[in-house]
Amino acid sequence: DAGITQSPRYKITETGRQVTLMCHQTWSHSYMFWYRQDLGHGLRLIYYSAAADITDKGEVPDGYVVSRSKTENFPLTLESATRSQTSVYFCASSDSRPGNTIYFGEGSWLTVV
Amino acid sequence: KQEVTQIPAALSVPEGENLVLNCSFTDSAIYNLQWFRQDPGKGLTSLLLIQSSQREQTSGRLNASLDKSSGRSTLYIAASQPGDSATYLCAVSAGGTSYGKLTFGQGTILTVHP
Repeated sequence: DAGITQSPRYKITETGRQVTLMCHQTWSHSYMFWYRQDLGHGLRLIYYSAAADITDKGEVPDGYVVSRSKTENFPLTLESATRSQTSVYFCASSDSRPGNTIYFGEGSWLTVV
Repeated sequence: KQEVTQIPAALSVPEGENLVLNCSFTDSAIYNLQWFRQDPGKGLTSLLLIQSSQREQTSGRLNASLDKSSGRSTLYIAASQPGDSATYLCAVSAGGTSYGKLTFGQGTILTVHP
């Protein structure tokens, strides 16, 4: 089915481990985003990408790395997970037409112990 | 830095009531404003998008208005139903190189009871 999918949906990892959250969209949207959602902070932008091989930092990029070698994939890597990165992570995508809506994935629940 | 505030934080109403959710933003230089719905444990679903040049958008029982100069938007839900129970989020987008980068409010948790 067309859409935007995230994996894994649920993950428990230990402090210091590397974790990669995957995001795949089937619309060939040029823009893709990673947000995290935390109680008390709402949704905050981590990284975004305007096209393949073009990425830029959002509001809270520290501790995260992204890549976009293909238009449809936008993985988010936590290089050395910390407890403060326990959160729900949402991937989103949008095409480049002005005023187009942004579509969100179902989220990845990450717990760092 | 753009800040988005939503009032009230939570709202509980009986089925059938008309209700208004409020959103305010500090920087009026926005590209567009979107209202989203989020069900527990789920992602966000876009409900309405208003361009900065527009005053309102309607979809079914939902109507969203935008007053860019005063930094305010409202989401009006007519004849509320229990299925409308969810968290409603407002988000603004700047244009130019910030296209698509959303700043979200904290949300309004809506409960519609039968």
